[in-house]
Amino acid sequence: QSALTQPPSVSGSPGQSVTISCTGTSSDVGYYNRVSWYRQPPGTAPQLMIYEVANRPSGVPDRFSGSKSGNTASLTISGLQAEDEADYYCASYTTSITYVFGTGTRVNVL
Amino acid sequence: QVQLQQSGPGLVKPSQTLSLTCAISGDSVSSNIVGWHWIRQSPSRGLEWLGRTYYRSKWYNDYAVSMRGRITIDADTSKNQFSLHLNSVTPEDTAVYYCARNRYFGMAVWGQGTTVTVSS
Repeated sequence: QSALTQPPSVSGSPGQSVTISCTGTSSDVGYYNRVSWYRQPPGTAPQLMIYEVANRPSGVPDRFSGSKSGNTASLTISGLQAEDEADYYCASYTTSITYVFGTGTRVNVL
Repeated sequence: QVQLQQSGPGLVKPSQTLSLTCAISGDSVSSNIVGWHWIRQSPSRGLEWLGRTYYRSKWYNDYAVSMRGRITIDADTSKNQFSLHLNSVTPEDTAVYYCARNRYFGMAVWGQGTTVTVSS
């Protein structure tokens, strides 16, 4: 199972919006609405930000939103803040009854 | 509030078995609406899903294809915990290992992480 493809980094100024893409295949991202997104500040465990493509767990700001089109899922961070600077990972359930993570994207707040 | 507390050795010799345990508080390992996962992270491979165990009237396990034959995940209901066993380890298995609780296809609760080094 190959990792889902994410851009290595995206950058934005405070207040701007950034979007991270997550490209898989018709056997994972494209097959199920079971994509999740995680934020990982340095030295800490990942934190769930989005589940099932577009759902936010309790406590996650509505600045974070998720969507999907075909084999590509996306995470958009609106109103970028300094605290959003971290690594972000997508993950998907697959038709092999496994999970696969993305390659990770560093969000830089300029 | 659900919490996961990991324990296990930080150093394992090549060819031996890596065993880590994840103790659960605030939930039951036998819950029939969640799954219990192991994930690892290394600079070379990023986040890598290893496998899961879950209970739906009986116990089920699913493992990453790359791990099959070397991995076992089991649950101890008397101690409310689950464990990872990875045998025949090599230096390529050096990583930070995490346990996690999954519900609604999102891993909302994670252990603190255990750094495991495979070296003689």
